[in-house]
Amino acid sequence: KNEVEQSPQNLTAQEGEFITINCSYSVGISALHWLQQHPGGGIVSLFMLSSGKKKHGRLIATINIQEKHSSLHITASHPRDSAVYICAVRKNTDKLIFGTGTRLQVFP
Amino acid sequence: EAGVAQSPRYKIIEKRQSVAFWCNPISGHATLYWYQQILGQGPKLLIQFQNNGVVDDSQLPKDRFSAERLKGVDSTLKIQPAKLEDSAVYLCASSLGSMSTQHFGDGTRLSIL
Repeated sequence: KNEVEQSPQNLTAQEGEFITINCSYSVGISALHWLQQHPGGGIVSLFMLSSGKKKHGRLIATINIQEKHSSLHITASHPRDSAVYICAVRKNTDKLIFGTGTRLQVFP
Repeated sequence: EAGVAQSPRYKIIEKRQSVAFWCNPISGHATLYWYQQILGQGPKLLIQFQNNGVVDDSQLPKDRFSAERLKGVDSTLKIQPAKLEDSAVYLCASSLGSMSTQHFGDGTRLSIL
């Protein structure tokens, strides 16, 4: 069993829909990251969380440390949001453990 | 600020050949990472450098993979000889320190025929 599990694996949406991607982990962590990977392969860091909630534009990330769960929300989704969204946790070392990603496609 | 630079972007070779990838991290970033990302999976850490020293290479297949960061700046990752299962995207990332946000390059997509 992976230490970091994401759901769903694949997600399609119509432009404008509200999107939620979930991440569960089974280890103690010092921080959780949400990353975005476009088809070209480059990865961009969206959020780093250790508690509570963060918001950047149309993106919102939340984390519940007790339940070992985090969610990434996208409001008013747009085709340019189409990408793979990856959850990664930092254990109590400096190593990142990555989930397998959620592939999001937003259609106009 | 210039990002993490990687080259080449794409490489196609036959099995048993050798290949090398290059990474230039963001200026001033002491920590450099090489990841392997197989299609449909998350990145897997191959090796982590702190300046020119290796911090973690526990998942590097040392019989065929090698990496160096001789002057503590840019780095090369080599595969010799390549196997079919090495087909993947090889990502380089750098950070100011080991607990800082990692910045990723665009990766090198390797295909083994």
